[in-house]
Amino acid sequence: KNEVEQSPQNLTAQEGEFITINCSYSVGISALHWLQQHPGGGIVSLFMLSSGKKKHGRLIATINIQEKHSSLHITASHPRDSAVYICALRIQGAQKLVFGQGTRLTINP
Amino acid sequence: GAVVSQHPSWVICKSGTSVKIECRSLDFQATTMFWYRQFPKQSLMLMATSNEGSKATYEQGVEKDKFLINHASLTLSTLTVTSAHPEDSSFYICSAQGSGNYNEQFFGPGTRLTVL
Repeated sequence: KNEVEQSPQNLTAQEGEFITINCSYSVGISALHWLQQHPGGGIVSLFMLSSGKKKHGRLIATINIQEKHSSLHITASHPRDSAVYICALRIQGAQKLVFGQGTRLTINP
Repeated sequence: GAVVSQHPSWVICKSGTSVKIECRSLDFQATTMFWYRQFPKQSLMLMATSNEGSKATYEQGVEKDKFLINHASLTLSTLTVTSAHPEDSSFYICSAQGSGNYNEQFFGPGTRLTVL
């Protein structure tokens, strides 16, 4: 079993829809990152969470440490949100990140 | 804040030549830098971790003599792909981590290497 599992793997939605991407993990972590990668592009760090909830513009990220689960929400989705969203764990006591396989999001106009 | 740059953004080279990729933290001091490679439609794979002033720690299966990493200052790390071959063609991404408010990985924009 992978240490981190993302769902769904692929998601297609219409502009304006509310989007949720999930990340479940099985190890102790010190932090969880949500990253965004546009096609052919570099990685942008959206959030780093160790507890609770963070909001930035239309993006909201939550984490439940007890349940080992995090969600990334996008409100009023837009075609420019189309990208791969990656959940990455910083495991306790370690420097390196463990990456999920990513969720490919496509928002149609 | 927390900007990481990479240079070049893309490079095409002939088989057998060496290519150097630079990773810079522009507005913070990076005590640790990470180098990743990414194949199409796959996740990032960590190649090595470098701490300023010391030798890089390579992940299992990554040839240290082929992928030379230097982290000589708190704002610059370089990855040199030596004697490049077509199978080295990939997207190489660095990240930098500092301390305090910068105690997380900030990613560079990546370098696309194509070896002919």
